[in-house]
Amino acid sequence: SQTIHQWPATLVQPVGSPLSLECTVEGTSNPNLYWYRQAAGRGLQLLFYSVGIGQISSEVPQNLSASRPQDRQFILSSKKLLLSDSGFYLCAWSRGGNNEKLFFGSGTQLSVL
Amino acid sequence: QQQVKQSPQSLIVQKGGIPIINCAYENTAFDYFPWYQQFPGKGPALLIAIRPDVSEKKEGRFTISFNKSAKQFSLHIMDSQPGDSATYFCAALVDYQLIWGAGTKLIIKP
Repeated sequence: SQTIHQWPATLVQPVGSPLSLECTVEGTSNPNLYWYRQAAGRGLQLLFYSVGIGQISSEVPQNLSASRPQDRQFILSSKKLLLSDSGFYLCAWSRGGNNEKLFFGSGTQLSVL
Repeated sequence: QQQVKQSPQSLIVQKGGIPIINCAYENTAFDYFPWYQQFPGKGPALLIAIRPDVSEKKEGRFTISFNKSAKQFSLHIMDSQPGDSATYFCAALVDYQLIWGAGTKLIIKP
């Protein structure tokens, strides 16, 4: 069966510090991978989307970047965090060529202070 | 035109009642309409989904009603339970991208 791992679960970082959130998927190959952000009590904002290694689509210009160094690994990064980067970050995957069903990780609650 | 408008923003229903969450869209190219359920501190999970060639789909206590001409679809929860308390998101798919509603926080009171 397929599983998605996302860590850490919570993170408190000072303004101006770097960020690295990692997501890995097991049990499938060539998945589509996504990073979403959810502000408190708000909807889901798609940040990045990837259909393969090194292929990243950015949906929203911002202080963040994403990389996919391996088929089932997706990393969200920032060189310098802003207060506005606080939120609940979710990684998700779907089967390659089929974007109908997304499987989400358990999320990372990021607080930038 | 890429928006999905979801209402209400929050909803409180007594146990056993039938909460109804509504979504509306404009883009007729949308061809798949899922609903996701999210519990606090967790990622959303697919609950039920429908395609535009079907007017209703039922899975257990959850039903999607779809009105293609009105470009609206809704989620009904029969015999609601406190365990159904969660945030519900509707979405619509076009090409590779899911367009999400803003979410409805549902509370079922015992």
